[in-house]
Amino acid sequence: DIVMTQSPDSLAVSLGERATINCKSSQSVLFSSNNKNYLAWYQQKPGQPPKLLIYWASTRRSGVPDRFSGSGSGTDFTLTISSLQAEDVAIYYCLQYYSTRGYTFGQGTKLEIK
Amino acid sequence: QLVESGGGLVKPGGSLRLSCSASGFTFSDYYMSWIRQAPGKGLEWVSYISSSSTYINYADSVKGRFTISRDNAKKSLYLLMNSLRVEDTAVYYCARDGVAAADFWGQGTLVTVSS
Repeated sequence: DIVMTQSPDSLAVSLGERATINCKSSQSVLFSSNNKNYLAWYQQKPGQPPKLLIYWASTRRSGVPDRFSGSGSGTDFTLTISSLQAEDVAIYYCLQYYSTRGYTFGQGTKLEIK
Repeated sequence: QLVESGGGLVKPGGSLRLSCSASGFTFSDYYMSWIRQAPGKGLEWVSYISSSSTYINYADSVKGRFTISRDNAKKSLYLLMNSLRVEDTAVYYCARDGVAAADFWGQGTLVTVSS
């Protein structure tokens, strides 16, 4: 099974500053036939279901602010919030959907305001 | 919209059937998933089912105990949970697998397994 490991577990960033969350997979999630990374990022606020932010590792979902960006390929991925806003306080999860045996989430990264 | 129902309190070893009603999209075109979240914990994928029910997969933690199914005519997704354990206590979400896995989620239904 593919194991997803996020770092850090928690992060405190000042308003307006950059926040960076990493996600590492135990094996590549890059599908060679279409050159797509089967990696997504989700945001979950308290009492709400998760919301998809980024898919194919770097494609921002329609309606997601452009301060959110995803990068990386193969086994190493990053979610970046370029200028942190108060409403971005949440837990962020990465997910691999490459394996036909099933999907795997990272353990989550809690983002707070410093 | 995805609306889950069927959660509640059940004793260890008991059974429960969750339902998820879909609207606003062509249900029969999409894979669907169940994902759960134990209280104060992270997300755990449970199971997915293909659009025509041809492909089904389960997390090892529920394999042999849970059964996913769907009725495209009723635009509904189901999760039959048998031999429930205390560690199955969680909010269970149904999610649509669209542009990516779990691109749209329901609000969830709470399952509590306790004696």
